[in-house]
Amino acid sequence: DSGVTQTPKHLITATGQRVTLRCSPRSGDLSVYWYQQSLDQGLQFLIQYYNGEERAKGNILERFSAQQFPDLHSELNLSSLELGDSALYFCASSVSGGVTGELFFGEGSRLTVL
Amino acid sequence: AQSVAQPEDQVNVAEGNPLTVKCTYSVSGNPYLFWYVQYPNRGLQFLLKYITGDNLVKGSYGFEAEFNKSQTSFHLKKPSALVSDSALYFCAVREESDSNYQLIWGAGTKLIIKP
Repeated sequence: DSGVTQTPKHLITATGQRVTLRCSPRSGDLSVYWYQQSLDQGLQFLIQYYNGEERAKGNILERFSAQQFPDLHSELNLSSLELGDSALYFCASSVSGGVTGELFFGEGSRLTVL
Repeated sequence: AQSVAQPEDQVNVAEGNPLTVKCTYSVSGNPYLFWYVQYPNRGLQFLLKYITGDNLVKGSYGFEAEFNKSQTSFHLKKPSALVSDSALYFCAVREESDSNYQLIWGAGTKLIIKP
């Protein structure tokens, strides 16, 4: 158990809808990262927050947004969903801003868009 | 630009044989290198890292990796494979001087260990 909690584990929705994925980092970790893993295995970095502030942005679509709250949990909002958004969405956390490179990943939220 | 290549989509090894999962990288400065493993239906787990020092790094579950600066490689190895090692393996790199500490990920290699 990594200590990172993601909810929901599975989500099925229709095109055009909006969903919110939630992540609770390990106790004491200030950084939260969001990744998308497609069926062909690739891991795409979406966005990173550090202590409530956006730290780095990857290939995140404009239809997607995220935030980190004062209690350090984070939410990833996906809107106007398309079939191609079906994927595993991982949250990871680290103590610092990633200095050590050791990230702790949650079990993921599997999103299916029909 | 920083990049990581895992040239093999899949590696098949018989149980008990040694295994190698390849990784090459490209950074302009000194690299920090990492291996992560993803078991089926699970999140990624940190295996080992190279920051500085001994080129042979030992990690979890009996894995080790060798940093080769001249070949810009960081191959993952294990002397004797177990069926339970079957998983998806990711190599990652970041440049020492990168103030954003961002990891650049390889595409992943599926390791299949056959009994």
